[in-house]
Amino acid sequence: DAGVTQSPTHLIKTRGQHVTLRCSPISGHKSVSWYQQVLGQGPQFIFQYYEKEERGRGNFPDRFSARQFPNYSSELNVNALLLGDSALYLCASSLAVDRAGYTFGSGTRLTVV
Amino acid sequence: AQRVTQPEKLLSVFKGAPVELKCNYSYSGSPELFWYVQYSRQRLQLLLRHISRESIKGFTADLNKGETSFHLKKPFAQEEDSAMYYCALSPTSGTYKYIFGTGTRLKVLA
Repeated sequence: DAGVTQSPTHLIKTRGQHVTLRCSPISGHKSVSWYQQVLGQGPQFIFQYYEKEERGRGNFPDRFSARQFPNYSSELNVNALLLGDSALYLCASSLAVDRAGYTFGSGTRLTVV
Repeated sequence: AQRVTQPEKLLSVFKGAPVELKCNYSYSGSPELFWYVQYSRQRLQLLLRHISRESIKGFTADLNKGETSFHLKKPFAQEEDSAMYYCALSPTSGTYKYIFGTGTRLKVLA
């Protein structure tokens, strides 16, 4: 099992652009969550999806959106990028929507210039 | 407000010394608490959960509801324990998001 895989690993975008980040959960895991980790801070919750439905949303603007596909992979989309969106974006998966502990991917490092 | 506080950004101890990484939380219900660890150039990984009452790599953590704390302890630090440690809280109701602290970097000196 490859674990939780995220692509791309690094990305540089210009202010105002759009970005799509991708995540493949561990085989059999139906829940995917997205977190933003700014340098020097802990991860902050953005979204959780389970069985293709949004189950939770953190305190992020509407520029952030996500979806989950029938194969349980997920995309995080960010529109109108701001310099402050520069961060490590982490994807985490788990078997179900519970508190058993998530498995995290290595993240996508987004730099907005 | 739901919050996790890790008061130390950096904790340096000598090999063989005891380690205590502090975590305090603010939550009105009965949350589930976790410790996650990130070793150099590795991904964030679950270290332990309070509900399991287990010891992983010699680390233990006890939930103290009276003091709203979940400190991580190890009696004898090893050099390979050097890493970034994050305390996280998961609320009992609503979304199953994690609320993370800002993390403590543990350096174990030879």
